[in-house]
Amino acid sequence: DARVTQTPRHKVTEMGQEVTMRCQPILGHNTVFWYRQTMMQGLELLAYFRNRAPLDDSGMPKDRFSAEMPDATLATLKIQPSEPRDSAVYFCASGLSLLSGYTFGSGTRLTVV
Amino acid sequence: GDSVTQMEGPVTLSEEAFLTINCTYTATGYPSLFWYVQYPGEGLQLLLKATKADDKGSNKGFEATYRKETTSFHLEKGSVQVSDSAVYFCALSDKGGADGLTFGKGTHLIIQP
Repeated sequence: DARVTQTPRHKVTEMGQEVTMRCQPILGHNTVFWYRQTMMQGLELLAYFRNRAPLDDSGMPKDRFSAEMPDATLATLKIQPSEPRDSAVYFCASGLSLLSGYTFGSGTRLTVV
Repeated sequence: GDSVTQMEGPVTLSEEAFLTINCTYTATGYPSLFWYVQYPGEGLQLLLKATKADDKGSNKGFEATYRKETTSFHLEKGSVQVSDSAVYFCALSDKGGADGLTFGKGTHLIIQP
């Protein structure tokens, strides 16, 4: 089965450091999402792209978060500077349409100390 | 704004028991409704969906009926197995796929042999 690949799987970093998370969507999928999962808030939509163009990033703290798709095979989510409250699992998902379902990666577990 | 409320659990059942996980929603329009499942260490995957009132989604023995009058989309299964142990997320999309999904906080299901 085709998979969404996220790297790294785990990341521990110190407060103030830059963190970059990467996602390889399934080939041919034109929509890519970034979600953040925490115990308190559950799953929150951070940003999404269609055909590599950013459509909505209203869920992201703009002062420290940025999301890009430099090409169709790579999406990145960057946090600079990182803070302890950014500790969460970050999921990337890709798909063709809502009704066909989105495929999620296994997530990046970020811990900021 | 849109929201999804579901029982948080954990829900613990014995194998072959009947399962119901409640889900209710608030939306301004006529949303499509979804159940996603997350197995340990993995990303979410689409379990079933319904796009209009009275539609029944089904997959792998799970069913859910879109009830507009009660704004509900409860997940049911007649006889659960240990392999059904996972976290189940109810979700909606209110804008034809133009935006990402709004998820509930998830229900952790534990099936004991």
